[in-house]
Amino acid sequence: DIQMTQSPSSLSASVGDRVTITCRASQTISNYLNWYQQRPGQVPKLLISGVSSLQSGVPSRFSGSGSGTDFTLTISSLQREDFATYYCQQSYSNVLTFGGGTKVEIK
Amino acid sequence: QVRLMESGGGVVQPGRSLRLSCEASGFRFSSYGIHWVRQAPGKGLEWVAVIWDDGDNKYYSGSVRGRFSISRDNSKNTVYLQMNSLRVEDTAMYYCARGTTIYAVVTFDQWGQGTLVTVSS
Repeated sequence: DIQMTQSPSSLSASVGDRVTITCRASQTISNYLNWYQQRPGQVPKLLISGVSSLQSGVPSRFSGSGSGTDFTLTISSLQREDFATYYCQQSYSNVLTFGGGTKVEIK
Repeated sequence: QVRLMESGGGVVQPGRSLRLSCEASGFRFSSYGIHWVRQAPGKGLEWVAVIWDDGDNKYYSGSVRGRFSISRDNSKNTVYLQMNSLRVEDTAMYYCARGTTIYAVVTFDQWGQGTLVTVSS
């Protein structure tokens, strides 16, 4: 199975900060990479599909980039409602996998 | 509106079985693959299984392959997850999610609220 490794596993940041989360696949996955946000007590929400396609209603401060094995989720100016856990997920293989998650906490 | 509702969770002893259900509404159920994703208490998301819209293609994570079985009944808009030989480490909230393909990339665009499975003696 394809392993997805996220870093860091957690980070502390302030409102207005630029935040970058990295996701690395154990083999090339082309652009078959999605990002999800999960706020405490809520179900996950799809943010970005296919590396960089922002879903409807997702603020433009979120962006995704990368290709092959290395991918990035960037929040350009962190807002209070962005404090959550973020997961990458690959769908290159029929056996899908998630990264371990990155918890974004308030500094 | 799109709705996915899981049921069937509960407390079960190790080695026993449990069947979860995911009932869908608000969309053409027979046109979508349905996934199960689980989340152990305080842990991250783990993809478990998928059944494609055709009902013939099924895939499982390595941690459940050979123990869990996924099926669907399109006449009831329902997907099932039969879980056998349950282990303590299967304890988790189990979510069903709709698989939507966006430019060939499978995403989970709709989620249920989950059903809790606790495996304990």
